[in-house]
Amino acid sequence: GQNIDQPTEMTATEGAIVQINCTYQTSGFNGLFWYQQHAGEAPTFLSYNVLDGLEEKGRFSSFLSRSKGYSYLLLKELQMKDSASYLCAVLDSNYQLIWGAGTKLIIKP
Amino acid sequence: GAVVSQHPSRVICKSGTSVKIECRSLDFQATTMFWYRQFPKQSLMLMATSNEGSKATYEQGVEKDKFLINHASLTLSTLTVTSAHPEDSSFYICSARAETSGDYNEQFFGPGTRLTVL
Repeated sequence: GQNIDQPTEMTATEGAIVQINCTYQTSGFNGLFWYQQHAGEAPTFLSYNVLDGLEEKGRFSSFLSRSKGYSYLLLKELQMKDSASYLCAVLDSNYQLIWGAGTKLIIKP
Repeated sequence: GAVVSQHPSRVICKSGTSVKIECRSLDFQATTMFWYRQFPKQSLMLMATSNEGSKATYEQGVEKDKFLINHASLTLSTLTVTSAHPEDSSFYICSARAETSGDYNEQFFGPGTRLTVL
């Protein structure tokens, strides 16, 4: 079966750095997405990785290792507004998005 | 960036009534749209994939006669929840895939529709 695992909840301090991990087992791989979702809102796109390595975009970076079936989202200089759920999703061989359950990130002052 | 709108944003209805939710791609053509449902504190659950001009493909366990999907044009897909019941109360989100988005198939999400069935 297809499976995506990510921690249920994480807590971090404002101004700090946090890394959210995601491991996946899917039928085929056509890329991995990270989305941010605030409560009661739709997901918003953060990043896309299809090749191994690190993609940096401002305070957010995303890493992929296809051989390990592993990705992480790195958030730097955390702000209170970063409190949200972070969803990892993999595009499988049928170009269908397989979603993780999301990681709720709580930022404390 | 590509914009997807959804209407209505919130709807409250009585049990047994039908509710239609519209999903529009505003500045691009979307041959494929997706309908998701999300229960509180849970991840997105794909309900169906909607292709313009053809019948939608439903995920296992999703009743196609209850959740009617129509994708009549390249910019509009509708989801009708027929004979809604309290257990259908959920957050419904559509997304559209921009075929010309470059070298990957990014999905752009609508803002979601909060359905409450009394």
